[in-house]
Amino acid sequence: KAGVTQTPRYLIKTRGQQVTLSCSPISGHRSVSWYQQTPGQGLQFLFEYFSETQRNKGNFPGRFSGRQFSNSRSEMNVSTLELGDSALYLCASSSLQVGTSLPDTQYFGPGTRLTVL
Amino acid sequence: GQNIDQPTEMTATEGAIVQINCTYQTSGFNGLFWYQQHAGEAPTFLSYNVLDGLEEKGRFSSFLSRSKGYSYLLLKELQMKDSASYLCAIMDSNYQLIWGAGTKLIIKP
Repeated sequence: KAGVTQTPRYLIKTRGQQVTLSCSPISGHRSVSWYQQTPGQGLQFLFEYFSETQRNKGNFPGRFSGRQFSNSRSEMNVSTLELGDSALYLCASSSLQVGTSLPDTQYFGPGTRLTVL
Repeated sequence: GQNIDQPTEMTATEGAIVQINCTYQTSGFNGLFWYQQHAGEAPTFLSYNVLDGLEEKGRFSSFLSRSKGYSYLLLKELQMKDSASYLCAIMDSNYQLIWGAGTKLIIKP
């Protein structure tokens, strides 16, 4: 099975611009989670989507948004970029725990490294 | 609040054994995960514990004590390729993963 893919891998933007990142989960995985990772910080949870619905959301401002399509692919958007948004953005997909709609082990994509100048 | 503590950095020698500890206080508990992350790469899944005790998987073992809010990852027969960050994560009552800041493990020859 192909792993989680993310595009683009690297991105350079300037303050005030907006950006859209894409994530394709492992085939059959319906849960997609997004994280922000900065040096010295743990992974900060952004949101989780399941069956095109946002199920969980972290403590990020409304500039960060996402969506999921019927094929489980997901996008996240950051509007009005700030210098502090420079980070590695990771997407993880998971299947469901047997007999439930609860997420199982998460598998990560390679990430998109966003630099805001 | 929710809190996960891991040492920031550890150093060990090739061929030796190292134990990386993780203590946690979270709202609910639905399992503890360990991930390995090499510099510049994505985290990769190592182990999952939901019941107390030791889970062994080759050179890696993970232990959990739910009553103590404590886990450790044990790495045996260390190899240079084990140099990486090791991330502890708890699945809370909302089935959301809460992550520690990670432990950077440096292996010396």
